[in-house]
Amino acid sequence: AQTVTQSQPEMSVQEAETVTLSCTYDTSENNYYLFWYKQPPSRQMILVIRQEAYKQQNATENRFSVNFQKAAKSFSLKISDSQLGDTAMYFCAFMKPYNYGGSQGNLIFGKGTKLSVKP
Amino acid sequence: AAGVIQSPRHLIKEKRETATLKCYPIPRHDTVYWYQQGPGQDPQFLISFYEKMQSDKGSIPDRFSAQQFSDYHSELNMSSLELGDSALYFCASRYRRDTFNEKLFFGSGTQLSVL
Repeated sequence: AQTVTQSQPEMSVQEAETVTLSCTYDTSENNYYLFWYKQPPSRQMILVIRQEAYKQQNATENRFSVNFQKAAKSFSLKISDSQLGDTAMYFCAFMKPYNYGGSQGNLIFGKGTKLSVKP
Repeated sequence: AAGVIQSPRHLIKEKRETATLKCYPIPRHDTVYWYQQGPGQDPQFLISFYEKMQSDKGSIPDRFSAQQFSDYHSELNMSSLELGDSALYFCASRYRRDTFNEKLFFGSGTQLSVL
């Protein structure tokens, strides 16, 4: 079974600085997807970034980028130029691709990291 | 663009009552997932449906049942509610044949409070 571990329950960063959130996972699969979701106080689940395991290039979305180390099974999220609106719970998640008769494309979440951006 | 719609947004029930949560996926999406997120917890997978058939089952209590209808909307039925059922319930949807862009789209959730 797949597991996702986020070892930092809480983190804080000053506005405009850079912060990195850690995530490790365990799987025997070779093909899968990894995600970072943001959950602000409104509790809406917002997709931040997505990485395909077969792609060596790290995904980037504006101020958000990942460091994907497949061999180490590590998937960290870097937030540059942190903004007050980045304050939220961040969840790392793993998904096996849909496979007829097998995986149904379900998400497995880590426990989350609560990020506070301070002015 | 249309998003996943969940209703109601908030629901307050007494112990031992029943509750029904509804989810309307994005048009064309054929797969629906239900998740339960307790206070301070990560979302836990409950159940999923594809083309109106149950496709996968997670940690869903026997007191809960769900189905997907012909218009692809889904309902989560919860009976004999317990205090521990108080949680945020998310629905997510996807289009299964979209194999080049696999990801789930989440609704805003239904906050259930059991008193």
